[in-house]
Amino acid sequence: QSVLTQPPSVSAAPGQKVTISCSGSNSNIGNNYVSWYQQLPGTAPKLLIYENNKRPSGIPDRFSGSKSGTSATLGITGLQTGDEADYYCGTWDSSLSAGVFGGGTKLTVL
Amino acid sequence: QVQLQESGPGLVKPSGTLPLTCTVSGGSINSRNWWTWVRQPPGKGLEWIGEVSHSGSTNYNPSLKSRVTLSVDKSKNQFSLNLRSVTAADTAVYYCAKNGGNSDFDYWGQGTLVSVSS
Repeated sequence: QSVLTQPPSVSAAPGQKVTISCSGSNSNIGNNYVSWYQQLPGTAPKLLIYENNKRPSGIPDRFSGSKSGTSATLGITGLQTGDEADYYCGTWDSSLSAGVFGGGTKLTVL
Repeated sequence: QVQLQESGPGLVKPSGTLPLTCTVSGGSINSRNWWTWVRQPPGKGLEWIGEVSHSGSTNYNPSLKSRVTLSVDKSKNQFSLNLRSVTAADTAVYYCAKNGGNSDFDYWGQGTLVSVSS
C-alpha cells in the first residue's frame, strides 16, 4: 500500500494527451515538492519533472507537471509509442521523515 | 555528468546481510548533496529505502529502519547500504541515486538485482 495513490494504468492513442494523477495528504504532497519519473521496461527510472513543474534539461515540453493542494498531475501531450512506460510520482513525507513514491501507473499508447 | 554504479552480491542467504556499494563518478560525494537508495521488487513499484548526506547524516524508511545502515566513504567517493536479517521479501533491484535538491532524484545507477535464497 503506497502512501501516494496513482491509477494503475492509463491509455490513449498516439498523438493524444493523457494525464496521470497522484494523490496524497498534507504531510507529503500538500507541503512538499513533487517529482515524476519515467521507467522504460528494464531500465532505471528517469527524472521527468521536479519541484512540481520543472523539466530537467533534455526533457521535451510534451511533459508537464502541476500540483494543487494534496494532489499532483503529470501531463503528456503528443503521445508517442516510445512513451509507453511506468510513471511514478514521488515526494517527501514530513510525518514519516522519509521519501515516498506512488504505486506507479502503466501508460499504454494504443 | 554524474554517474552512479551499484555493486554487490547478486545472491544473499536468508537471515544474512545484504551489502551494496554505490560508486560515484563525474562528481564529488562530498558536495552538498544527499545520496539515496531505492529498491524495486520484481514486477512491483519503487520503494524508498533511505538517504545519507556527505557528512554521514541519515534518514531511513520507518519500515526498514531497524535493519538498515547507510554510510559514506569520501576517500573512495562511495556510499553504501547494509540490510540485515534479509528474507525473500527483500529480493529486488536496488538502485542508488543522487538527490537533486528537493527530494527529487536526478541521477540514477543502472540498478542491481539481489536475490535472497538459500
